Amino acid sequence: KAGVTQTPRYLIKTRGQQVTLSCSPISGHRSVSWYQQTPGQGLQFLFEYFSETQRNKGNFPGRFSGRQFSNSRSEMNVSTLELGDSALYLCASRRQGGRPHEQYFGPGTRLTVT
Amino acid sequence: QQQVKQSPQSLIVQKGGISIINCAYENTAFDYFPWYQQFPGKGPALLIAIRPDVSEKKEGRFTISFNKSAKQFSLHIMDSQPGDSATYFCAAPSDPTSYGKLTFGQGTILTVHP
Repeated sequence: KAGVTQTPRYLIKTRGQQVTLSCSPISGHRSVSWYQQTPGQGLQFLFEYFSETQRNKGNFPGRFSGRQFSNSRSEMNVSTLELGDSALYLCASRRQGGRPHEQYFGPGTRLTVT
Repeated sequence: QQQVKQSPQSLIVQKGGISIINCAYENTAFDYFPWYQQFPGKGPALLIAIRPDVSEKKEGRFTISFNKSAKQFSLHIMDSQPGDSATYFCAAPSDPTSYGKLTFGQGTILTVHP
């Protein structure tokens, strides 16, 4: 079974621009969560989607948004990028009925904002 | 809001030694408490997890000890190997209504010298 894939793997953007990151979960998994990883803040939860509905949201500004498609693929968007948005963005998928800890992470998208 | 405090931030161990990483959480334990392992350039991968009604779980060289009354749990790596060199994260489920949301510790960078 293929793992979680994320595209692109690396991205360089300029302050004020917007960016869209993509995540394809493991086949059959319907839950997708997004996390931001930085050296200073560690892994922080952004949001979780299940069956195209956002079920939970972390403490991030409204510039961070996401969506999920009917095939469970998910995208997250960051508008008006700030230097502090530079981070590794990870998505994780979970099967329906899986426990919260049973998350499979992708390799992440490394976003650099200049 | 779940809080998780992890220590130490970094750990250097000789090959064959025991690595010990500790975590403390704040909320009620209602679901599994996992440890994730992350290698450079990869996303975190579930290493081992323990139910809150169990005091210890062992899988090969990896053991979780769980102290529910103290709200602490720890990861022990026996006979540490250079291949164990990675960043380790503990995590705790946020609350029963938060579905797949995990709150992570800050991470511990483990270096095992040959």
